Amino acid sequence: DQQVKQNSPSLSVQEGRISILNCDYTNSMFDYFLWYKKYPAEGPTFLISISSIKDKNEDGRFTVFLNKSAKHLSLHIVPSQPGDSAVYFCAAGYQGGSEKLVFGKGTKLTVNP
Amino acid sequence: SQTIHQWPATLVQPVGSPLSLECTVEGTSNPNLYWYRQAAGRGLQLLFYSVGIGQISSEVPQNLSASRPQDRQFILSSKKLLLSDSGFYLCAWSVPGYRPYEQYFGPGTRLTVT
Repeated sequence: DQQVKQNSPSLSVQEGRISILNCDYTNSMFDYFLWYKKYPAEGPTFLISISSIKDKNEDGRFTVFLNKSAKHLSLHIVPSQPGDSAVYFCAAGYQGGSEKLVFGKGTKLTVNP
Repeated sequence: SQTIHQWPATLVQPVGSPLSLECTVEGTSNPNLYWYRQAAGRGLQLLFYSVGIGQISSEVPQNLSASRPQDRQFILSSKKLLLSDSGFYLCAWSVPGYRPYEQYFGPGTRLTVT
């Protein structure tokens, strides 16, 4: 049972344009969502998070949107830069979940110069 | 500042051999510790997590075990490796009770079982 789904395994965008990465979840108990960025042969790096009491969180070029009714969140990167090329993982957790995270399978973003 | 170390960075082991991967965290006390595996073409799968010394929870029945002999040390082991144990192993930590979901990952160990 895949509780966190990233249905697009890859995404390609031009430098300077917007990148939109999507994530869907099935467990309504999730109350905290995170995005991680991972380069090859390295550990994931925490990027941005959002609590279920919010619908938007912004940090520089990165914005995460949460639609609880649709059980959907998205990460917007504006403007996209070649250095953003990486695999992006969506993750979710909930109180009572022993502070564990459930990760999606990731979306590989390629930003073309 | 906090740092997390994992070693070795890469490892090639024959089927049936034992395994020991080590993870240590510096700059924090009583962290939650986690072992993940990323198999080829798949996401991050939580294998074990620990909330304290000697306290280990297993997420997936498998050929692996974990131990936490010290507060900031987490070890992943196997007595006999299988081909299916190949993958990228990641250790992570978090601060319990304070932004608990924000986990911070080590550099990982690439394990190839031949």
